[in-house]
Amino acid sequence: GENVEQHPSTLSVQEGDSAVIKCTYSDSASNYFPWYKQELGKRPQLIIDIRSNVGEKKDQRIAVTLNKTAKHFSLHITETQPEDSAVYFCAASTPRTGGGADGLTFGKGTHLIIQP
Amino acid sequence: DTGVSQNPRHKITKRGQNVTFRCDPISEHNRLYWYRQTLGQGPEFLTYFQNEAQLEKSRLLSDRFSAERPKGSFSTLEIQRTEQGDSAMYLCASSLGQSSYNSPLHFGNGTRLTVT
Repeated sequence: GENVEQHPSTLSVQEGDSAVIKCTYSDSASNYFPWYKQELGKRPQLIIDIRSNVGEKKDQRIAVTLNKTAKHFSLHITETQPEDSAVYFCAASTPRTGGGADGLTFGKGTHLIIQP
Repeated sequence: DTGVSQNPRHKITKRGQNVTFRCDPISEHNRLYWYRQTLGQGPEFLTYFQNEAQLEKSRLLSDRFSAERPKGSFSTLEIQRTEQGDSAMYLCASSLGQSSYNSPLHFGNGTRLTVT
């Protein structure tokens, strides 16, 4: 099955600086890569996603890049703010035949700490 | 809030007892997933329903676990003879359509289970 590795496990940056979180996946058939933000005690919330037919996607201060050849994708947050502090999870979805689940395989998460 | 709703939010039970959790997906979402999340880890896939049909179960889902979605709307997850290793956050997610590629997963706030 799919395996997703995420680095770093903890990332501390100064407010206003950029943060980059990297993920690799194992299954070349995976075609959908979302990023979720989870604050303590709350649900994972989708912040951005990218599909395999696109190399980069931006939404205000957040961007995601995908390198299908290398099987890795990254989350970039610019001009970080205190409210960006949370755990971020990358995930990969592999299409299935026969009606099986194409549920997400998650990385272990990155605890992003924004230092004031 | 018309998001995914899970009940109860917290459950404390003694080892050996049975517990049941409920998930109400976003209205009209035909796809429903159960995940388990332990501290410091990303969510792990447990099982998946498309409408009322349970189409896939993870190897993580032992015989003590059973899930249902009788009318294709809400779902229940039952754990029989709970063990301390079952302590975790149980997350439900739903989506609409044929695949994650076309419709992202929306998570509930989860049910936190503590087995003493």
